[in-house]
Amino acid sequence: EAQVTQNPRYLITVTGKKLTVTCSQNMNHEYMSWYRQDPGLGLRQIYYSMNVEVTDKGDVPEGYKVSRKEKRNFPLILESPSPNQTSLYFCASSPGLAGGRETQYFGPGTRLLVL
Amino acid sequence: AQSVTQLDSQVPVFEEAPVELRCNYSSSVSVYLFWYVQYPNQGLQLLLKYLSGSTLVKGINGFEAEFNKSQTSFHLRKPSVHISDTAEYFCAVTRPYNQGGKLIFGQGTELSVKP
Repeated sequence: EAQVTQNPRYLITVTGKKLTVTCSQNMNHEYMSWYRQDPGLGLRQIYYSMNVEVTDKGDVPEGYKVSRKEKRNFPLILESPSPNQTSLYFCASSPGLAGGRETQYFGPGTRLLVL
Repeated sequence: AQSVTQLDSQVPVFEEAPVELRCNYSSSVSVYLFWYVQYPNQGLQLLLKYLSGSTLVKGINGFEAEFNKSQTSFHLRKPSVHISDTAEYFCAVTRPYNQGGKLIFGQGTELSVKP
């Protein structure tokens, strides 16, 4: 089944404790992205990757890191989480950019609480 | 800069009634427009998208949307809703040939269908 998977789905942590949220897609997609969803703000892009070893900042990159060593994986790293990073996180992928026409496929989400 | 405004944060409606979810965008250039749906505790999935051509776009689950360039709107409609349509709906815009394939999301509209 074609899908985007994220792990963990739920995570409670404390301020300053490094964590990684994994994202994997099995569709051989070139483009991958991370979003955070907050009430009243919709989804905002954190980082994106256009291909292996190619990543760039989105709208809200502060406090996050990413890497793209393999085409299928795009982990999100919080080196020193803070309470304002409590949010619902989504990973998404698409076959390419095609000038923006491509549909993005979303993972099920990771709900993070930073105490 | 692009932006998307969803005019209603919550829309309650009775089952089998028609519904319209409103979306306005601002952009100085041509855009592609999308509606995504998020069912409870799930990721987002595409309902429909407008790329070019006919301004009336039909999507899954009986939804349709009309692109109105003069009013910069892309309202979503369904003539008769079901309980199962209860979800959050997001309008999104992206520019052709934009940088990073970034989708700009609206704040979301919670559709609540009551029996």
